[in-house]
Amino acid sequence: GIQVEQSPPDLILQEGANSTLRCNFSDSVNNLQWFHQNPWGQLINLFYIPSGTKQNGRLSATTVATERYSLLYISSSQTTDSGVYFCAVVRRGGSEKLVFGKGTKLTVNP
Amino acid sequence: GAVVSQHPSRVICKSGTSVKIECRSLDFQATTMFWYRQFPKQSLMLMATSNEGSKATYEQGVEKDKFLINHASLTLSTLTVTSAHPEDSSFYICSATVVPGYTFGSGTRLTVV
Repeated sequence: GIQVEQSPPDLILQEGANSTLRCNFSDSVNNLQWFHQNPWGQLINLFYIPSGTKQNGRLSATTVATERYSLLYISSSQTTDSGVYFCAVVRRGGSEKLVFGKGTKLTVNP
Repeated sequence: GAVVSQHPSRVICKSGTSVKIECRSLDFQATTMFWYRQFPKQSLMLMATSNEGSKATYEQGVEKDKFLINHASLTLSTLTVTSAHPEDSSFYICSATVVPGYTFGSGTRLTVV
């Protein structure tokens, strides 16, 4: 099956700092989403981004499908950004199964 | 936006009993729903895919007789953990396809004592 690797596994920032999270995937994809899992377990969809670039406030994401990676940028981080960020993909030509990476745990300190 | 409502959010049950978790699509019809399991500090692992009106498809290593999935209508899928044991304690979360992408329920934290 498709492999999804996220880096770094852990990231600690001071409030106000910027960060970049990376997601590499091993095959062509139809779907790529970035999620934020809050401390209560809720998965919040951040971006649906199988290709291209999108921005939403302090967050932006870029997926380079031909090179099989995606980046999530967080600018001016806030303590409420803390949590685990997951990248998840659906392999092109496969089933509808969404395959998750292991996540990046972000801690933003005041 | 498309919302999946999942209940209960938290449940504690005694070993040997069964627990039912419900996921409802509130403002759309979900012909397919997905059930995931997440252990502490780990990622989400797909357990099974449920299709309305047909049998669920289970991932390798998932016991279909322990984790009963029913998708009787276009808005409701249920996961029943039968004869629960402490090792079944986990976070269970459902998902449905929307356009575009996927949306998730809020999850159920199951503790078996």
